[in-house]
Amino acid sequence: DAKTTQPTSMDCAEGRAANLPCNHSTISGNEYVYWYRQIHSQGPQYIIHGLKNNETNEMASLIITEDRKSSTLILPHATLRDTAVYYCIVRVDGGTSYGKLTFGQGTILTVHP
Amino acid sequence: NAGVTQTPKFRILKIGQSMTLQCAQDMNHNYMYWYRQDPGMGLKLIYYSVGAGITDKGEVPNGYNVSRSTTEDFPLRLELAAPSQTSVYFCASSYREGGYEQFFGPGTRLTVL
Repeated sequence: DAKTTQPTSMDCAEGRAANLPCNHSTISGNEYVYWYRQIHSQGPQYIIHGLKNNETNEMASLIITEDRKSSTLILPHATLRDTAVYYCIVRVDGGTSYGKLTFGQGTILTVHP
Repeated sequence: NAGVTQTPKFRILKIGQSMTLQCAQDMNHNYMYWYRQDPGMGLKLIYYSVGAGITDKGEVPNGYNVSRSTTEDFPLRLELAAPSQTSVYFCASSYREGGYEQFFGPGTRLTVL
């Protein structure tokens, strides 16, 4: 699995966009980028995933660079409830894998009033 | 849909006691997982199941057992509890093999004294 690098922590003002970067320079052609978050004392929550095209859902947008070596998760209008640890995961999708998730250290996002 | 539910939310056990952590999902997912998360650490996979009647070990199965008699339920049994099993336990489910869009329960916080 490709290794990912994320900043340890970031701050964001409430109502502004939060842009969380992730480097995955050793990503393979069949590896997807997944984002999860974990709010304090809660279970992890799936946010979004993508292969090479930009993706958007009701929670966030995922921008993947053309060379796929990095990506950015965008929370368009951050709220206090978005304060959490955000994890970027790179894994092959489907196939014989049983879907085990391996989280790195992640980015602690703090949204301020 | 209730999603993934776990009971109990908290439990204190004495060394050597046994207990069962309950997990249920109402999304008709075939794939279910048990993870543990120690303070400040990532997830470690204990057991997983790809369907009713089929279970297999993850990376840290020792001291635990599981069963999967129905699609909905995936209980985790702790036999002879030890202080090393003090952790937060998360159950998760997904709808496709190898897919990393996993849906997590709220967790069970277990302390073994």
